[in-house]
Amino acid sequence: GENVEQHPSTLSVQEGDSAVIKCTYSDSASNYFPWYKQELGKRPQLIIDIRSNVGEKKDQRIAVTLNKTAKHFSLHITETQPEDSAVYFCAARLGSGSARQLTFGSGTQLTVLP
Amino acid sequence: GAVVSQHPSWVICKSGTSVKIECRSLDFQATTMFWYRQFPKQSLMLMATSNEGSKATYEQGVEKDKFLINHASLTLSTLTVTSAHPEDSSFYICSARESWGKSSYNEQFFGPGTRLTVL
Repeated sequence: GENVEQHPSTLSVQEGDSAVIKCTYSDSASNYFPWYKQELGKRPQLIIDIRSNVGEKKDQRIAVTLNKTAKHFSLHITETQPEDSAVYFCAARLGSGSARQLTFGSGTQLTVLP
Repeated sequence: GAVVSQHPSWVICKSGTSVKIECRSLDFQATTMFWYRQFPKQSLMLMATSNEGSKATYEQGVEKDKFLINHASLTLSTLTVTSAHPEDSSFYICSARESWGKSSYNEQFFGPGTRLTVL
């Protein structure tokens, strides 16, 4: 099965600085890589995703890059704000049809210091 | 669109009792629903995948007789924790995905979660 590793586990940045979270996956057949933001006690919210046929995707202050050869993908948040503080999870999806399922990374607690 | 609800949002029960958690897709049909468990400060761990009208597929280490999953319709899946014990206390989150026939990359939509505390 798929194995997803995420680093760092905690990250503190000053407001306005950039934050980068990295994930690696094990199965080269994985084809979909979403990123979720989860605030304490709440559901994960999809913030950005990338398909395996794309190398980079950007949405305002958030961007994701994918390196299929190296099997890693990264989340980049620019101009961080205190409300960006949360736990971020990467995920990789393996399989086809009804067997497709997400494997989550271990999470990164991001703290944006005012 | 794409709203998933869960009920109850939190439940406290005595050890040995059974608890049922409902997961509903409110505005779309979910061929597949997933059940996750999340312990404090940890990641989401997939417990099982349920497809409407068929038996759920459980992940390794998850007892199917303890965590009963029923996906009776395209909008409802239930998770029953039988004979709950304190170690079952956790945050249980479901997610639902639209019929896979529409797209190969359908997003999963998460429910708000159910906080289970077993005394």
